[in-house]
Amino acid sequence: QKEVEQNSGPLSVPEGAIASLNCTYSDRGSQSFFWYRQYSGKSPELIMSIYSNGDKEDGRFTAQLNKASQYVSLLIRDSQPSDSATYLCAVNKNTGNQFYFGTGTSLTVIP
Amino acid sequence: EAQVTQNPRYLITVTGKKLTVTCSQNMNHEYMSWYRQDPGLGLRQIYYSMNVEVTDKGDVPEGYKVSRKEKRNFPLILESPSPNQTSLYFCASSFFGTSDEQYFGPGTRLTVT
Repeated sequence: QKEVEQNSGPLSVPEGAIASLNCTYSDRGSQSFFWYRQYSGKSPELIMSIYSNGDKEDGRFTAQLNKASQYVSLLIRDSQPSDSATYLCAVNKNTGNQFYFGTGTSLTVIP
Repeated sequence: EAQVTQNPRYLITVTGKKLTVTCSQNMNHEYMSWYRQDPGLGLRQIYYSMNVEVTDKGDVPEGYKVSRKEKRNFPLILESPSPNQTSLYFCASSFFGTSDEQYFGPGTRLTVT
């Protein structure tokens, strides 16, 4: 079982729609959760971090965390073509100081 | 400008020829880490360091070495590269470890023939 799992996609949504990205993790003790965006050939850049159950909103982005179900999601409202990228979910390991990344979900926003 | 730098950005080498990829950050971060990214496998952690002279293995440390003699630098050493180490490598840093966001360098694309 992988530490962090994401649907690889591709996920396609029309411009202006809501894109929903999901991630599940296996380490029940994980405390820190991150969403990164990675454009092709570029390095990952942070979109959101979330540490507590519930929702966290930042502009068009909302991260949702449910520790009981061990999933974290990212909603992108009013999707724009510039949101087309691969979205990586990252989770810290409960013991030690390691990060685990999912393989990423490829998102395409169609104009 | 706050940043993580890596050099070289692109490298083609031959099997067995020792190489070093440098990583430097100017944000006074405690935590530094190396990842490799391969299609279908995502980002996998190679080594990380919580502070000067403190390094630990990640998930895929075989064939790699690191050192942390100064807080700002965290070089990745491949003593005898093999073709299966052909990959895209990222260095990253954060203030206090895994509770903080990581800042990534631009990446180094390594090809071992």
